[in-house]
Amino acid sequence: QKEVEQNSGPLSVPEGAIASLNCTYSDRGSQSFFWYRQYSGKSPELIMFIYSNGDKEDGRFTAQLNKASQYVSLLIRDSQPSDSATYLCVSSGNTGNQFYFGTGTSLTVIP
Amino acid sequence: GAVVSQHPSWVICKSGTSVKIECRSLDFQATTMFWYRQFPKQSLMLMATSNEGSKATYEQGVEKDKFLINHASLTLSTLTVTSAHPEDSSFYICSGLPPQSDYGYTFGSGTRLTVV
Repeated sequence: QKEVEQNSGPLSVPEGAIASLNCTYSDRGSQSFFWYRQYSGKSPELIMFIYSNGDKEDGRFTAQLNKASQYVSLLIRDSQPSDSATYLCVSSGNTGNQFYFGTGTSLTVIP
Repeated sequence: GAVVSQHPSWVICKSGTSVKIECRSLDFQATTMFWYRQFPKQSLMLMATSNEGSKATYEQGVEKDKFLINHASLTLSTLTVTSAHPEDSSFYICSGLPPQSDYGYTFGSGTRLTVV
């Protein structure tokens, strides 16, 4: 079983809609979670990190963590075509020193 | 914030030659750096973990004699693709982990290698 699982997509949403990206993890002791955005041909860039249960908001992005369900999500409000990218979910594992990547979810925002 | 500089960003080489890719942490000391390879429309694949002052740890299936990693200082790790072949053409990305790991990995900008 992979440490971090993501639906590979592709996920398509119309411009202005909310995009919901989901991720589950297997190690209940995992401490921190990160969402990276990767444009085609570019390196991943960090969007948000979260380590406490609940929601964390930053502009149009909201990360949600539910440790009981071992579930992490990223919501993108008012989606823009420029949000079209692959989104990677990353877990720090239970030691915080070994990071596990999901395979990424491809998002397309349709104008 | 933490910055990782990767060079070159794009390189073409002839089959059979070697190519060196450099990865520098500009504002933090990276005892560990990671090297990834990514083929088109595929996810990142960890190739090896580079440890300052010691041998790199390679993932299963990665040829350590072909992908030479040197991490001689706390701010520089290099990946040398030896005797490159067209199937080595890929996007190579390095990353470092700043001491304050709450912020996760910092990635270099990547190197697109084309072997002709």
